[in-house]
Amino acid sequence: GAVVSQHPSWVICKSGTSVKIECRSLDFQATTMFWYRQFPKQSLMLMATSNEGSKATYEQGVEKDKFLINHASLTLSTLTVTSAHPEDSSFYICSASGDRGTGELFFGEGSRLTVL
Amino acid sequence: AQSVTQPDIHITVSEGASLELRCNYSYGATPYLFWYVQSPGQGLQLLLKYFSGDTLVQGIKGFEAEFKRSQSSFNLRKPSVHWSDAAEYFCAVASNTGGFKTIFGAGTRLFVKA
Repeated sequence: GAVVSQHPSWVICKSGTSVKIECRSLDFQATTMFWYRQFPKQSLMLMATSNEGSKATYEQGVEKDKFLINHASLTLSTLTVTSAHPEDSSFYICSASGDRGTGELFFGEGSRLTVL
Repeated sequence: AQSVTQPDIHITVSEGASLELRCNYSYGATPYLFWYVQSPGQGLQLLLKYFSGDTLVQGIKGFEAEFKRSQSSFNLRKPSVHWSDAAEYFCAVASNTGGFKTIFGAGTRLFVKA
C-alpha cells in the first residue's frame, strides 16, 4: 500500500518556540492531505485539509495563525505550530488520500509534541 | 453534516470469544465507511472499508463488517478474538468530495483477557 511518512516522530520544545512537522507521501502524489490532532485516549480531531498549491481549509475552532499549513508540492505538507504552549502538546497525525480515488486514507506514523 | 457514533468507550472480551464493535453514522448520501485500528502511540491501520456492493465486507486479521442502511450502522465483528487484537478501534465516514475528508468516531478500546 501507499506510504506516508511523518517527521519528526517526537519533539520536545520550550514554550514560545515554533515547531515544524513534515508529512510526505513516499510513493504516490497527494493532492490533498489532512492533519489531525489526537489527545490521549481520545479520537482524531480533524484540524485542516491541506491542498497542494492553495491555502489550507481549517475546521471550525482551529486557529489558522497558530497552526500554519503549507502544501508546497504533491508529496509534502508541513504543519508548523507557532509560539507553542504546553496546551499544544499532543499527537499530530497526517494522512493522505491515495491517487486511485478509493477513499482510503494512508496515515503517517504520527508526531508527538511536548511543549515544556 | 456527517458524524460517527461509537457508543462503547471500551469493551472487554475473553480471548477466543466473539467480538462486535458498534458504529452508527449520519450522512446525507451513501457514505464511504471505514474501520481503522490503532495500537498505542502509533498511527492508524485500515481494517476494512465499504463503498458499495455487497454489504458484508471482509477485512484483514479476520475482521468483517456489515453495512445496514436501514439502521445507519456499520458494526465490526470478529468470530474469535486474539490477545493481539487489543487496541483502539475507530469507525470513520468519508464523503467523496474534498479529497475524501474523513470524520472519525470517538473510538472503542478493546481489552482482551486471557
